[in-house]
Amino acid sequence: GAGVSQSPSNKVTEKGKDVELRCDPISGHTALYWYRQSLGQGLEFLIYFQGNSAPDKSGLPSDRFSAERTGGSVSTLTIQRTQQEDSAVYLCASSFFQGQAYGYTFGSGTRLTVV
Amino acid sequence: GENVEQHPSTLSVQEGDSAVIKCTYSDSASNYFPWYKQELGKGPQLIIDIRSNVGEKKDQRIAVTLNKTAKHFSLHITETQPEDSAVYFCAASNPAYNDMRFGAGTRLTVKP
Repeated sequence: GAGVSQSPSNKVTEKGKDVELRCDPISGHTALYWYRQSLGQGLEFLIYFQGNSAPDKSGLPSDRFSAERTGGSVSTLTIQRTQQEDSAVYLCASSFFQGQAYGYTFGSGTRLTVV
Repeated sequence: GENVEQHPSTLSVQEGDSAVIKCTYSDSASNYFPWYKQELGKGPQLIIDIRSNVGEKKDQRIAVTLNKTAKHFSLHITETQPEDSAVYFCAASNPAYNDMRFGAGTRLTVKP
């Protein structure tokens, strides 16, 4: 596609419920990242996928968070038993990577509100 | 690990004036430095980047400078316009890490 697509754009959920956030990266981009942005704050790294390699999960804040990337393309971020502190904008980005870093293309994000 | 600091956190300028945002990084192995602009309700958008083998790069009204010795890099916006109002993030990429390290952001307001 023309850009990184994220769905849903907004999600309101009750505390304790599970949520799934979807990211469709730019075709041909081998690297995919999830970041979290709390209100008025910077970007917190969550997880990184590169091709078929094992993901870098070092940024996931707890074992309630998990992510997968199927077929090297679409990624799903799952938050189990949501808590109010999970409320934030979840941003997905993809990048071309071949021996050196390139800038990320971000999606518009999913605004998650846990009530 | 890499640590990126960004200043100022807020910046207000008059339309037509210049704006400068500065970032420092801690690890001399970092070699790629992009800048992103985030408008309200949108994801950050790459506006300019520089690699460590270059000291300065310019694209119309925006420019980035890099001082590898001092480990700092800056974004310069000239002839600012109201549509430049946004949050700007700097970042540094270190080959030892999978992710870029972002600064905390600068909220730029351009007053008409």
